[in-house]
Amino acid sequence: KQEVTQIPAALSVPEGENLVLNCSFTDSAIYNLQWFRQDPGKGLTSLLLIQSSQREQTSGRLNASLDKSSGRSTLYIAASQPGDSATYLCAVRADSWGKLQFGAGTQVVVTP
Amino acid sequence: GAGVSQTPSNKVTEKGKYVELRCDPISGHTALYWYRQSLGQGPEFLIYFQGTGAADDSGLPNDRFFAVRPEGSVSTLKIQRTERGDSAVYLCASGTSGDSYNEQFFGPGTRLTVL
Repeated sequence: KQEVTQIPAALSVPEGENLVLNCSFTDSAIYNLQWFRQDPGKGLTSLLLIQSSQREQTSGRLNASLDKSSGRSTLYIAASQPGDSATYLCAVRADSWGKLQFGAGTQVVVTP
Repeated sequence: GAGVSQTPSNKVTEKGKYVELRCDPISGHTALYWYRQSLGQGPEFLIYFQGTGAADDSGLPNDRFFAVRPEGSVSTLKIQRTERGDSAVYLCASGTSGDSYNEQFFGPGTRLTVL
């Protein structure tokens, strides 16, 4: 059974520092991995999707890497801003139907 | 364009009552998913629709939960005889299907509270 873990559960950094968020999964047979952002009381906003054949994806200040063989993905957020404060979730798609399995998330606070 | 919408945004009900939660997917998306998110946890899969049919309902916790999508667009999640443990945020997502990309787009969720 696929297990997705995100460590740490919470992270606080001063504005301007780079953020590094980790996601690990137990079964490397995945179709893709998605990173989401969730603001309090809100739904999920998709940030990046990495196909299983890809090693990384970039969008603006965000960069996500994928190492399937070791079951790891890392989301980097450069030059963090207070507006980056949110919970970040990773999810793996492990079947052809598209069902996602999520980690519990990392709650990020960026202090001014 | 319009994203995924869900109604109501909040629902408070009493134990034992019946509730219906509605999801309007992005126009043209054939894949529709329901997830449930408890406090401090990531969303957990409930059911997946491809068109009108439920292709995978393995995440429904028991037979009190049922979902329909009669015309292949709007979906309704129905919960009978609600219990306090059903309290959670219910999220709906839609996406294209038939391709490996299959990015899912989520709605804002319905927060269900069972008293």
